[in-house]
Amino acid sequence: GENVEQHPSTLSVQEGDSAVIKCTYSDSASNYFPWYKQELGKRPQLIIDIRSNVGEKKDQRIAVTLNKTAKHFSLHITETQPEDSAVYFCAANHYTGKLIFGQGTTLQVKP
Amino acid sequence: DTEVTQTPKHLVMGMTNKKSLKCEQHMGHRAMYWYKQKAKKPPELMFVYSYEKLSINESVPSRFSPECPNSSLLNLHLHALQPEDSALYLCASSQAQGMGNTEAFFGQGTRLTVV
Repeated sequence: GENVEQHPSTLSVQEGDSAVIKCTYSDSASNYFPWYKQELGKRPQLIIDIRSNVGEKKDQRIAVTLNKTAKHFSLHITETQPEDSAVYFCAANHYTGKLIFGQGTTLQVKP
Repeated sequence: DTEVTQTPKHLVMGMTNKKSLKCEQHMGHRAMYWYKQKAKKPPELMFVYSYEKLSINESVPSRFSPECPNSSLLNLHLHALQPEDSALYLCASSQAQGMGNTEAFFGQGTRLTVV
């Protein structure tokens, strides 16, 4: 069935360090992989996404990599800042059009 | 306008009450979604409307009743809810339903408490 596994569930880094969150998906037909950041009490916000015809995408301090063969994709945040602290969700699309979410990673950036 | 607007932001209701959640978007999106989110969990899909027709119902109890009056509006009617239904209810929209069109924009949510 459809499934997205996300690791780690919690991640604590020192300000300025890098953070990496990894996801694995099961549906080989998935071709769209967004990442959402959700601060406490707020909506999930799309921070970056990647489509299956691309292996890597960068936006300032954030990058996403995709390995379609292995069905892995990862979020990389460099030079982390306290305001990066939030819950991050990966997702993959399903042929029905719905998004399948990972379980989330709580990132804490310590000043 | 890239906003999905939800009202109300907060709602407290008794188990015998009837209330409605509202969602509006003016991005010309033809797919609209209701999600339920518990604390520290991912959003859980409830319903999908595509071109104003119900496309997916994820086996949601009948005490939740969705309605799509037009392409910009989505409602969720609530009746006889249980305390365990307390959650953040998120509306989202995307250009269309289907592979390759699923960039979803979320509203700010309605924080629902059932007492």
